Amino acid sequence: QSALTQSASVSGSPGQSITISCTGTSSDVGSYNLVSWYQQHPGKAPKLMIYEGTKRPSGVSNRFSGSKSGNTASLTISGLQAEDEADYYCCSYAGTGTFYVFGTGTKVTVL
Amino acid sequence: EVQLVESGGGLVQPGGSLRLSCAASGFTFSTYSMNWVRQAPGKGLEWVSYISSSSNTIYYADSVKGRFTISRDNAKNSLYLQMNSLRAEDTAVYYCARARAAAGSSFDYWGQGSLVTVSS
Repeated sequence: QSALTQSASVSGSPGQSITISCTGTSSDVGSYNLVSWYQQHPGKAPKLMIYEGTKRPSGVSNRFSGSKSGNTASLTISGLQAEDEADYYCCSYAGTGTFYVFGTGTKVTVL
Repeated sequence: EVQLVESGGGLVQPGGSLRLSCAASGFTFSTYSMNWVRQAPGKGLEWVSYISSSSNTIYYADSVKGRFTISRDNAKNSLYLQMNSLRAEDTAVYYCARARAAAGSSFDYWGQGSLVTVSS
């Protein structure tokens, strides 16, 4: 099972909106509404930002939103802030064979 | 407050064994499925293994199948990962992560990680 495909890096100025894409296949992203997104700052553990494609855990800013179309999931960060600079990973359930597959990761830079 | 604290990492020679532990607190451990996720230095996240709340269902990534064994002790609020026949490519920070809900759901809480280095 190959990793989900994410762009290596995305950048934006403070206040702007950016979108990170996560492309999988009909065996993972396309088959289940079980895509999650994680934020990871250097040297820290990942933090859940979006689950089940579009839902935000309690305490996560509403500037973060998720969506899905076909085999591609997306994470949008609106009103970009300096503290949003981090690595972001998508993850999808992929059935009982592979179970979970992570994305390749996207480095977000706030200019 | 939910807390997950990993321990047991360290330096081990290729072919050797190591056992990681994850101590859980702040929630009813026995009602949650758990996972191990690893991250090689400078690389992305890789799911390693899953265990259901009652240990009835266990899954492994192909990369560790037959070499790693996940287990849990609900009486001790602890999760384990027994790693045998270790290879250089197993070098990584290993995180324990709680499954938010049923199998296939997201990982809502993570430990701080335990570094495993496989080298001669």
